[in-house]
Amino acid sequence: AQKVTQAQTEISVVEKEDVTLDCVYETRDTTYYLFWYKQPPSGELVFLIRRNSFDEQNEISGRYSWNFQKSTSSFNFTITASQVVDSAVYFCALSEGFTGGGNKLTFGTGTQLKVEL
Amino acid sequence: EPEVTQTPSHQVTQMGQEVILHCVPISNHLYFYWYRQILGQKVEFLVSFYNNEISEKSEIFDDQFSVERPDGSNFTLKIRSTKLEDSAMYFCASSELGGGASNEQFFGPGTRLTVL
Repeated sequence: AQKVTQAQTEISVVEKEDVTLDCVYETRDTTYYLFWYKQPPSGELVFLIRRNSFDEQNEISGRYSWNFQKSTSSFNFTITASQVVDSAVYFCALSEGFTGGGNKLTFGTGTQLKVEL
Repeated sequence: EPEVTQTPSHQVTQMGQEVILHCVPISNHLYFYWYRQILGQKVEFLVSFYNNEISEKSEIFDDQFSVERPDGSNFTLKIRSTKLEDSAMYFCASSELGGGASNEQFFGPGTRLTVL
């Protein structure tokens, strides 16, 4: 069974600070996909990034970067120079290898990020 | 940019009534999903749909739930006899592929269902 744990319930930072959101996952599959979604106060779910289990290369995309480590089953997400507009709930999600009929996402409980002036 | 749309944005119903939630997935996507989020909680998978049939469903998706793709564009979730605990935000999602390079799911804005 797949499981995603986001131990940080809420994080508060001051604008321009860097912030890292933690995610730990469990899966029995060797092929899986990890995602980060953002849910702003308006309620929609916005796709941010995806990572495949066979590619541990960490990348930076604008102010976003992620650190994927299979050895510790972690997929942490960092926002550099945070802004007030980054205030949202951030969900980490996991889907296991392709089953032929689509891949359900298993979400973590989310981390509420508050960025203050 | 193409997006998933959902209607209505908010549905209020009486306990025991039937509701149908509507979704229009992104046009070239082949995989469709419903999720729900009880207020303040995590997003939970309900059902996935591919090739005109359910491919997977969760334990939440019991006999009172059904999904349908009545035409080439719409994807509906029906709750036959609503209960108070069905009150939640319901998200529709679609993906181009089920696995591989384009399997990210794009979500609609959600329908907030309130059961009184």
